[in-house]
Amino acid sequence: EAQVTQNPRYLITVTGKKLTVTCSQNMNHEYMSWYRQDPGLGLRQIYYSMNVEVTDKGDVPEGYKVSRKEKRNFPLILESPSPNQTSLYFCASSKSFPGEYEQYFGPGTRLTVT
Amino acid sequence: RKEVEQDPGPFNVPEGATVAFNCTYSNSASQSFFWYRQDCRKEPKLLMSVYSSGNEDGRFTAQLNRASQYISLLIRDSKLSDSATYLCVVNNFSASKIIFGSGTRLSIRP
Repeated sequence: EAQVTQNPRYLITVTGKKLTVTCSQNMNHEYMSWYRQDPGLGLRQIYYSMNVEVTDKGDVPEGYKVSRKEKRNFPLILESPSPNQTSLYFCASSKSFPGEYEQYFGPGTRLTVT
Repeated sequence: RKEVEQDPGPFNVPEGATVAFNCTYSNSASQSFFWYRQDCRKEPKLLMSVYSSGNEDGRFTAQLNRASQYISLLIRDSKLSDSATYLCVVNNFSASKIIFGSGTRLSIRP
């Protein structure tokens, strides 16, 4: 089954404790992206990757890191989480730049930073 | 001003009604447009693309008005299962930008 998986689905952590949210897709997609969704603000892009070893900042990259060492995986790293990073996070992938192609989203990771 | 704006709703309409909502965008260089549907606490899923000539998929019709810089979504004969949040997406290829609207919440009542 074609899908995007994210782990963990739910995470409660404390300020400053490094964490990684994993994202994997099995569709051989070139483009992958991370979004955060907050009430009233919609989905905002954090980072994206056009292909392996190619990543770029989205609209809200501060406090996040990503890497794309393999085509299927695109982990999101919070080196020192803060309460303002409490949010619902979605990973997404598409065949190429999603201006032309459908984006497939993972089920989301609900992160709470206390 | 936000780059992409949607009326947050909620739109509360009876089953069988026709409902329409718009999404305005500020960047005239925007080149492609989509509607996604998001059920409560779930991931967004593509509903339909929006073409210059307009397009229809069953009870759903999407239109693009480049002159006034908005896209619209019309739902005819609404069903209870249409209750969801509808997100518009605007893309700018040259800037590699993808902008989501904050969504319009639709609630269909029996």
